Amino acid sequence: DTEVTQTPKHLVMGMTNKKSLKCEQHMGHRAMYWYKQKAKKPPELMFVYSYEKLSINESVPSRFSPECPNSSLLNLHLHALQPEDSALYLCASRGPGTASPYGYTFGSGTRLTVV
Amino acid sequence: AQTVTQSQPEMSVQEAETVTLSCTYDTSESDYYLFWYKQPPSRQMILVIRQEAYKQQNATENRFSVNFQKAAKSFSLKISDSQLGDAAMYFCAYSSGGGADGLTFGKGTHLIIQP
Repeated sequence: DTEVTQTPKHLVMGMTNKKSLKCEQHMGHRAMYWYKQKAKKPPELMFVYSYEKLSINESVPSRFSPECPNSSLLNLHLHALQPEDSALYLCASRGPGTASPYGYTFGSGTRLTVV
Repeated sequence: AQTVTQSQPEMSVQEAETVTLSCTYDTSESDYYLFWYKQPPSRQMILVIRQEAYKQQNATENRFSVNFQKAAKSFSLKISDSQLGDAAMYFCAYSSGGGADGLTFGKGTHLIIQP
């Protein structure tokens, strides 16, 4: 398995809703990342997990809450989002391995729309 | 902080021709990796090619090659025999050797392939 799987692919939520994004990889990578990408812009780093521990939080608002329950799974819990949070949310993993040694493997993203 | 600069917002090339995308970066680190990622409209971020800073030899992957000029902090991507499937947004990206800070992306170059 050389993929990072993100679910759901599309999500529409109201500003009072609570939802979660899921990211899963089975490549044995021990570093996982959440990125936010607005249209026609590069991805911006949100969170970094290394060996299931949060190592970087790029001053992300508390309405975004990451969680890494185990080495294969990364969640992003969403609550009370604003319309400006609408974006593509990308998950990536990194590590030595047969897939891409020292490279980053990205999921196909979750397109989030906040209404 | 590291920065990555892509000065060409858009490039156009005829099918079967060769095109070069430019990228410069700034860092004070000695151990780092450079990447080119392709993001088609399907939004999947696909690794095109990577270069370890300690390697003098330029990386190549089939029709894709880089010109890595470490002293000039330049990392350009050459695409030979351009194909319609090469049309996408191309991002140049930097990672420290440990990867603790994730990827820093340039603003991207939108590549158009003319049939």
